[in-house]
Amino acid sequence: EAGVTQSPRYAVLQEGQAVSFWCDPISGHDTLYWYQQPRDQGPQLLVYFRDEAVIDNSQLPSDRFSAVRPKGTNSTLKIQSAKQGDTATYLCASSLGGGNTLYFGAGTRLSVL
Amino acid sequence: GQQVKQSSPSLTVQEGGISILNCDYENDMFDYFAWYKKYPDNSPTLLISVRSNVDKREDGRLTVFLNKSGKHFSLHITASQPEDTAVYLCAAEGTGYQNFYFGKGTSLTVIP
Repeated sequence: EAGVTQSPRYAVLQEGQAVSFWCDPISGHDTLYWYQQPRDQGPQLLVYFRDEAVIDNSQLPSDRFSAVRPKGTNSTLKIQSAKQGDTATYLCASSLGGGNTLYFGAGTRLSVL
Repeated sequence: GQQVKQSSPSLTVQEGGISILNCDYENDMFDYFAWYKKYPDNSPTLLISVRSNVDKREDGRLTVFLNKSGKHFSLHITASQPEDTAVYLCAAEGTGYQNFYFGKGTSLTVIP
């Protein structure tokens, strides 16, 4: 069984540039999470979906960040105008139902110069 | 506020000793508690989990203790080994597909 796939693995941007991250969850997993993990900190939830619906995006900086999961499978997280404070690893995770194991992708390491 | 807190950013233990990692939570609705292990430059992976209907779960050298009244859970690693050196993240989730919250992590170092 394939795991959670994320791309790209690395991204380096200048402030003000845009970037998109892509995630392909484990097949059949209905819940998909995007986390931001600054260096030396734990993952911080940005947004999560159940199927195609956004369940909670209250921690997503809505002026610059957006996330979609149009068919309830793959998902894209976009940063419109990156800031240095966005430097972090962006993790995608999926699970089947609630209260179950989260399976993480390898993450995208973003550096904003 | 932070829903799940790990008060100790780091812990050093001698090989063969017991490592005790602690986590506090705020939300009474949390009913699933987990510990994830993270090596540098790798993603977190599930180590052990427990639901709120039990107070303790053992798996080999690992034991999770859950204190619901104190809103606290802990991970005990017996006979600690150098390969246990990693960052340990505690996590909690509530019923009804609520947010899956993580603590900031405790960096465990096991000295040979």
